[in-house]
Amino acid sequence: AQTVTQSQPEMSVQEAETVTLSCTYDTSENNYYLFWYKQPPSRQMILVIRQEAYKQQNATENRFSVNFQKAAKSFSLKISDSQLGDTAMYFCAFTLYNFNKFYFGSGTKLNVKP
Amino acid sequence: NAGVTQTPKFQVLKTGQSMTLQCAQDMNHEYMSWYRQDPGMGLRLIHYSVGAGITDQGEVPNGYNVSRSTTEDFPLRLLSAAPSQTSVYFCASRGGEEGATEAFFGQGTRLTVV
Repeated sequence: AQTVTQSQPEMSVQEAETVTLSCTYDTSENNYYLFWYKQPPSRQMILVIRQEAYKQQNATENRFSVNFQKAAKSFSLKISDSQLGDTAMYFCAFTLYNFNKFYFGSGTKLNVKP
Repeated sequence: NAGVTQTPKFQVLKTGQSMTLQCAQDMNHEYMSWYRQDPGMGLRLIHYSVGAGITDQGEVPNGYNVSRSTTEDFPLRLLSAAPSQTSVYFCASRGGEEGATEAFFGQGTRLTVV
């Protein structure tokens, strides 16, 4: 069975500072994808970043980057230069290769303070 | 470019009533899914489909039915609404081709059962 765990229900960060959100997952499979989705108050689910498990290089998207540790089954999200618009729920998600099931963590509510 | 469209956005039902949540996508995606989002639990998979005519159960299927008669549409039916089905429901779609990893989400339906 696949599981995703986010152990930080809520976090705060000052504007312009850096924050890291944690995620761990469990699977016995070798080919899979990991994602971070952002859900602002509008409720829309927005893809922030994705990581293919077969790639050793950590994914980056502008101010967002991940620290992917496959052996430890860890997938943390780093947000640099935090902005007020980053305030949202962040979900870590996992899917197996060529599979139509996404497994989500319980989410981390991030509050960026001015 | 509409993407994934869910209707309605809000709904209040009385216990025992039935209703259908509509989901349509215009991206010719093979894969479609329904999730429910509850506080502290992330998104949980209700039912999914890998193509027209093919559906399967997810993690929390009880009380819900689905069908997939066309590639575009994937309605979710609540047979006899219960207060435990109060939740936010998301429909998602994903392409079935190689490398199509990202799930695209609708804007969600907030359902309250009284």
